[in-house]
Amino acid sequence: EVQLVQSGAEVKKPGESLKISCKGSGYKFSTYWIGWVRQMPGKGLEWMGIIYPGDSDTRYSPSFQGQVTISADESLSTAYLQWSSLKASDTAMYYCARQGYSAYHFDYWGQGTLLTVSS
Amino acid sequence: SYDLTQPPSVSVSPGQTARITCFGDALPKQLAHWYQQKPGQAPVMVIYKDRQRPSGIPERFSGSSSGTTVTLTIRGVQAEDEAVYYCQSGDTSVGSYLVFGGGTRLTVL
Repeated sequence: EVQLVQSGAEVKKPGESLKISCKGSGYKFSTYWIGWVRQMPGKGLEWMGIIYPGDSDTRYSPSFQGQVTISADESLSTAYLQWSSLKASDTAMYYCARQGYSAYHFDYWGQGTLLTVSS
Repeated sequence: SYDLTQPPSVSVSPGQTARITCFGDALPKQLAHWYQQKPGQAPVMVIYKDRQRPSGIPERFSGSSSGTTVTLTIRGVQAEDEAVYYCQSGDTSVGSYLVFGGGTRLTVL
């Protein structure tokens, strides 16, 4: 069974750094792209970026380029999303999702990681 | 930039047919996918590649495409179908973009 399990909720202060994780199981992690999606409170889904764990090829949405860093550790079957300096506007739910073959759809999703940034 | 436009809300009575549309200039060239999100839950894919239904998704969910518009149709709507539905499209091999529509809240009256 394919599963994506994300790290737990976080409460951070503005200016702090953070790295959240997404661990895949039940499939060959290195051969499927993993994407990250933001959902701000009461709002819709926003695509942030995507990584291919097999070679760490990474693509970012122009809206998030330079704001976050996406990485992956193939040996741990884990993808990461990190911030170097958090802002209150980063408060949101963050989902990882596996991209299916050939058509850029997200066939399996993690449960989400809730990030709250507040002074 | 590339946008997908959905109506904010659709309302139907139980047993009726709900149709949710998604408009985008690139949709004639790109495949579209649909996700269902219930409150407090992660999204679930209900249609991919315009009209393919994943295993485990009820047959009452179907998708279609015509020019710049794709449509999610739910026949015989049930109370459990009440959710927000998002379309998605894009192609990261051409530039770097994937995009979601703004979402449509389906209310079952």
